[in-house]
Order: sequence, then C-alpha cells, then structure tokens
Amino acid sequence: DAKTTQPNSMESNEEEPVHLPCNHSTISGTDYIHWYRQLPSQGPEYVIHGLTSNVNNRMASLAIAEDRKSSTLILHRATLRDAAVYYCIKGTSYGKLTFGQGTILTVHP
Amino acid sequence: GAVVSQHPSWVICKSGTSVKIECRSLDFQATTMFWYRQFPKQSLMLMATSNEGSKATYEQGVEKDKFLINHASLTLSTLTVTSAHPEDSSFYLCSAIDRASNQPQHFGDGTRLSIL
Repeated sequence: DAKTTQPNSMESNEEEPVHLPCNHSTISGTDYIHWYRQLPSQGPEYVIHGLTSNVNNRMASLAIAEDRKSSTLILHRATLRDAAVYYCIKGTSYGKLTFGQGTILTVHP
Repeated sequence: GAVVSQHPSWVICKSGTSVKIECRSLDFQATTMFWYRQFPKQSLMLMATSNEGSKATYEQGVEKDKFLINHASLTLSTLTVTSAHPEDSSFYLCSAIDRASNQPQHFGDGTRLSIL
C-alpha cells in the first residue's frame, strides 16, 4: 500500500501562511487524510484530519482536492513553535497509521 | 484533550536486560493501542497493533517473542523488549484510540531506550 508523497522540506517566515502539500493518489474511498506533526524527542501531535470536505480547527485548515488524490495543510500564520516535521497519512479513522518521511518545516523569525 | 502517557521517558540498561515500557490512556478508554519504533532522523515504523483483551498483531519483520505486548485493560498496554541488545536502542512510541468514538489517535511522548 503506497504511502503519501510530501516535499522533504519547506521554509516559511513567521506570521506568514504556510501551505504544506501532500499527494495520495492511491487513496481508497474509506481512507481519511490525517496530519500529525512531531517535534524532536516528542511523540507526534495530532493536527487535523478529513475525509472529503475541507476541515478547519484551531490549529490549521485542511483543503482536500475534489478527486481526493491530494490535499494541503494550511497554517494561517506560522509561528516559531510550528517548526516541526509534518506527516500526511492516509488511513481509516480508527486503524493503524503508516508514516512516510514527512516535510520538515522551518520557520524563520 | 485526550492524553496518552508513556513511562519511563528514557531508560539505559545493560545488554541482555529485559525492559518494560508502559502506555496509558489517561482520560479515555483505549480499545486499540499501537506501538512504533523510530530511529534517529527516520520516520515512525509501526511494530504492532494491540486490541484490549486479545493478542497483538505484529507487522512483518517484527519478532513477537522479542517484543512482548500486553493490553490487559482499556487504559494500559505494555511493551517488553526481552533480552535487549544495542541494536534495540531506539525511540519507542505508543498511540491509543477508542474505536467507538470519532476521536483521533493520540500519541505518548515516547521512551528513549539505550542499551549498552
């Protein structure tokens, strides 16, 4: 089962929006798109997840393409604390998560 | 929000020792827990899936006799690394989920295991 595809790294400036892309062309109809982020020496932190419709929460927004083969995590105003490895994962809402390499986000002051 | 606690945070022990790592869900009932391993500068690798009251399901290549998993209650799962050797040194993480709810999976803060 193919994992998702993300850029290895991205950079942003503080207080600017960040758009983190993810390709999941082999997604099935029951797969959700999950986003987690991980700081060094910590466990992954849940960010957001969605199935078909765009989703918003206090941390971020998730924009899902109409064909569901790609999605974008949007951080509306990046802060230094948002610097982390961001993982985009496809899977059921209750099942195992298969992590790819993720995107290393660097936020410049 | 949901909290998952791992203990210990780090452990250093001699080769040949068995080490037990605990994973607890603090404010919800975890019907399913997952155990992961992460080597430096690499991503998380799923080791096994543990459902409360039943035997764990191990991923391909993970030795079940080496990594013993017990999920005897809805709030506690344990991973025991038996006869640990230096190559078992890694960052071990657990996550937990209540399959009956629509809540996302939450992770503990990991256990750094160093075998001398």
